[in-house]
Formats: sequence, structure tokens, C-alpha cells
Amino acid sequence: GESVGLHLPTLSVQEGDNSIINCAYSNSASDYFIWYKQESGKGPQFIIDIRSNMDKRQGQRVTVLLNKTVKHLSLQIAATQPGDSAVYFCAAYSGYALNFGKGTSLLVTP
Amino acid sequence: DTGVSQNPRHKITKRGQNVTFRCDPISEHNRLYWYRQTLGQGPEFLTYFQNEAQLEKSRLLSDRFSAERPKGSFSTLEIQRTEQGDSAMYLCASSPLQGEGNEQFFGPGTRLTVL
Repeated sequence: GESVGLHLPTLSVQEGDNSIINCAYSNSASDYFIWYKQESGKGPQFIIDIRSNMDKRQGQRVTVLLNKTVKHLSLQIAATQPGDSAVYFCAAYSGYALNFGKGTSLLVTP
Repeated sequence: DTGVSQNPRHKITKRGQNVTFRCDPISEHNRLYWYRQTLGQGPEFLTYFQNEAQLEKSRLLSDRFSAERPKGSFSTLEIQRTEQGDSAMYLCASSPLQGEGNEQFFGPGTRLTVL
């Protein structure tokens, strides 16, 4: 099955700076990846997704980069805001199931 | 609110009791998933329904766990003879039936505490 993992458990950034959260995956056949944001006491919330036929996708203040050669993806958040403080998960499909990493806790300081 | 809803939001029970959780997916979403999440970990897949058919079950789903989706709409997850190790957040998600690999929309979860 798919194994996904995040490189850092905690990331602290100052408000207004850009944030980069990294993730590695193991299955080179994975073709769809999703980034989720989870705030305390809530379910995961979709941020952005990317398919393997792309290497970059942009949303509102977020960009996901996919490097299939090294099986790595990253989430970039521009002009990080206090409301971005949460745990971020990358996820990839294995069959019908989404496999999640442990998550990176993003803390935005004023 | 047309998102995924789950009830109850919190459940405290004594070891050995049975509990049942309900999930109402986004209407017209054919796919429904259950996940379990423990503190500091990402969600772990438990089971998947396509309409009323249960198509995939994780090894995490022991014989004390049973899930149903009788009419292809809402789903229930029952845990019999609960153990302290069952304490976790139980998340439900749904997605439309559009080929392989789609965004899953998550509900707020049911937090189970087994004393």
C-alpha cells in the first residue's frame, strides 16, 4: 500500500511569511494527491489536490508542487495568516482508501 | 449546511458497552468512508461503501466493528464490547462517483472516550 510521510512535525512561521510543508510518498504508481488542513476538534478540510500528470497547481494563496522523480510533494502557503495555524496532512490513494501522513503542525506567530 | 454530518459529536462510554455512530454524507455522494484518528496521528482508513455495498475493509476493522449503509444514504458504525484502545475520533467522509481518486469531504467526527 501507499505510505506517505511529512518531513517535519512542527513548523513555526511569522505572520506574513511564506510557509513550505513537505511530504514524501513511497508508491510511484500513486496518481492523485491531496493536501488537507485540520483545525483542532474539526475534520480534515480540503485545501488543494494534484494529479500525477501535473507538477504544479495553484490555488488561492496555496501552491502544490509534485516531483515524481524523487516522490516528493510540497505545499506552499503565501503570506501566512494566523488563521492558517492548523495541522496539515498530505494524502494519497491506495485502492479506495486515502493514506495520510502524521501531519505537520503549523504555528503562525504575530 | 450541506456538508457531511456526524452524530453524536462526542460519546463517553464504559468499557464493554456498545456504541453506534451515524454519518450523513453529502446528498448524491455515492461513496462513503469511515476513518479513525488518534491523537497526533493522521486518519486511518477503516471501510468504504459504494452506494449500499461495502467494498473494502481495513485490517483495523476487527470483528467488534460493523458498518452498514442499508439504503445507500446514511451509514452507521457500531463498536461492540468497547475497549479503552477504541478511544479515538471517528471520521466519516464522502465523495461523488467519478472514476478513480477524488477529493473526500470529511465530517466533523465523533470523539469516542472509553473509560
